[in-house]
Amino acid sequence: DTAVSQTPKYLVTQMGNDKSIKCEQNLGHDTMYWYKQDSKKFLKIMFSYNNKELIINETVPNRFSPKSPDKAHLNLHINSLELGDSAVYFCASSHQDRGPYNEQFFGPGTRLTVL
Amino acid sequence: AQSVTQLDSQVPVFEEAPVELRCNYSSSVSVYLFWYVQYPNQGLQLLLKYLSGSTLVKGINGFEAEFNKSQTSFHLRKPSVHISDTAEYFCAVFRSYNTDKLIFGTGTRLQVFP
Repeated sequence: DTAVSQTPKYLVTQMGNDKSIKCEQNLGHDTMYWYKQDSKKFLKIMFSYNNKELIINETVPNRFSPKSPDKAHLNLHINSLELGDSAVYFCASSHQDRGPYNEQFFGPGTRLTVL
Repeated sequence: AQSVTQLDSQVPVFEEAPVELRCNYSSSVSVYLFWYVQYPNQGLQLLLKYLSGSTLVKGINGFEAEFNKSQTSFHLRKPSVHISDTAEYFCAVFRSYNTDKLIFGTGTRLQVFP
C-alpha cells in the first residue's frame, strides 16, 4: 500500500550515460513533482505536473526531461549525465484541486551517483 | 519574494530535553508555512502546517509550532525529545506568485543523544 514509490532506489552510472527514474503514486492526486536534494541536504523543486500538464519548470538543464504518461506517473529522464547530477531525487504528489498548499507526499528518494 | 531561513544547521540535544528549531520567513503576501521531517534514508514527511487561524499548531509526534507574524517566525518545538526524533527538519513556505510551489529552508539536523 505504498503511497508514492520510486524506482530505482539507488542508481550508479558513468558520466555521459542516459538514465531514467520512475515515480508512481496511488493516492489519486492530480499533481506530481520532482525535487533534487544535493549533498548539503538543500531541497529544490525541479518540475511539477498537474493533470499531466507541465506547470513548473525551474532552471534545470534541458538534459532533464520529465514525462507524465498519466496522472499517477511522473518519470524523469536524464541525458548525458554529469558529475554534478549526483544527488538524491525525490518525487512527490499532492491534491492541487483542494488548494495548492495542500500537503505534499514524498517518495523514498533515488540516490543517483555519477562516476 | 518568499523564502525561509533556518538559523541552525545542527542542534544536538540530550534525550528528554526540550528542543526548539528556528525558522524565519520573508513574505509580502499571505503565508502558508510547513515543517517536514526527513528520517535517515527516507523521504520527507509532513509534521505540521499553518494555513490560517490559531497561531499555535500541533503536529505529529508531539511537535508543535507557533506562527509569529510580528517576528516573521515559525519555530518548531517539542517539550521532551526521544532518540527516534533524530532526523533532518525542514521549514518551508508556500509561494503563490507566478507558480505555486514550496520553498524549503536549508534544513536543521536534530541529533538526540542518550
